Amino acid sequence: GAVVSQHPSWVICKSGTSVKIECRSLDFQATTMFWYRQFPKQSLMLMATSNEGSKATYEQGVEKDKFLINHASLTLSTLTVTSAHPEDSSFYICSARVPLAGANEQFFGPGTRLTVL
Amino acid sequence: AQKITQTQPGMFVQEKEAVTLDCTYDTSDPSYGLFWYKQPSSGEMIFLIYQGSYDQQNATEGRYSLNFQKARKSANLVISASQLGDSAMYFCAMREAPTGRRALTFGSGTRLQVQP
Repeated sequence: GAVVSQHPSWVICKSGTSVKIECRSLDFQATTMFWYRQFPKQSLMLMATSNEGSKATYEQGVEKDKFLINHASLTLSTLTVTSAHPEDSSFYICSARVPLAGANEQFFGPGTRLTVL
Repeated sequence: AQKITQTQPGMFVQEKEAVTLDCTYDTSDPSYGLFWYKQPSSGEMIFLIYQGSYDQQNATEGRYSLNFQKARKSANLVISASQLGDSAMYFCAMREAPTGRRALTFGSGTRLQVQP
């Protein structure tokens, strides 16, 4: 089956620093990846849609200058949280779309837990 | 307006019994897909079952079945013969375009606890 990895699985950083999270499709090419954020005991909220070779599409209320998304290859999308603050502490999950995979076209990574001190 | 509504923040069930987790949805798109995911404490999202809006029969996957009532816009998940390992958060989600270009919209989730 399609496997999506995320790195790191958890990260702790100081306020004001930047953190990069990688999302990789290991055994398939993904033209579209999605980034979600999940606060404790809440649901997954879509942040942005990442398309290979083009700019990401951000959801309303998500600051594109703060959450930089790069999808430079068909197997890698990165999310960089710039000038992180404690309120950015959350669980970040990516998913990758597998074209023609059938009903379940999206495969999720294991998530990255970010804690900003 | 909420597109996916899960009204049960928490549910308890005895081991080996069946449990129904509720989900209602709202869309004007005639073509859509409904999903259920399980999220254990580790955080990974585990796909359980899918129902397409044009599917005539309710979806089933092992111990999971989806009670799809299109007119009522409900897509309840039924777990039969609950096991202790079923304890987790369960999310209902919808995809409103058949091509999959659009992301999933998730409900608020239901925390299921299976008691021995």
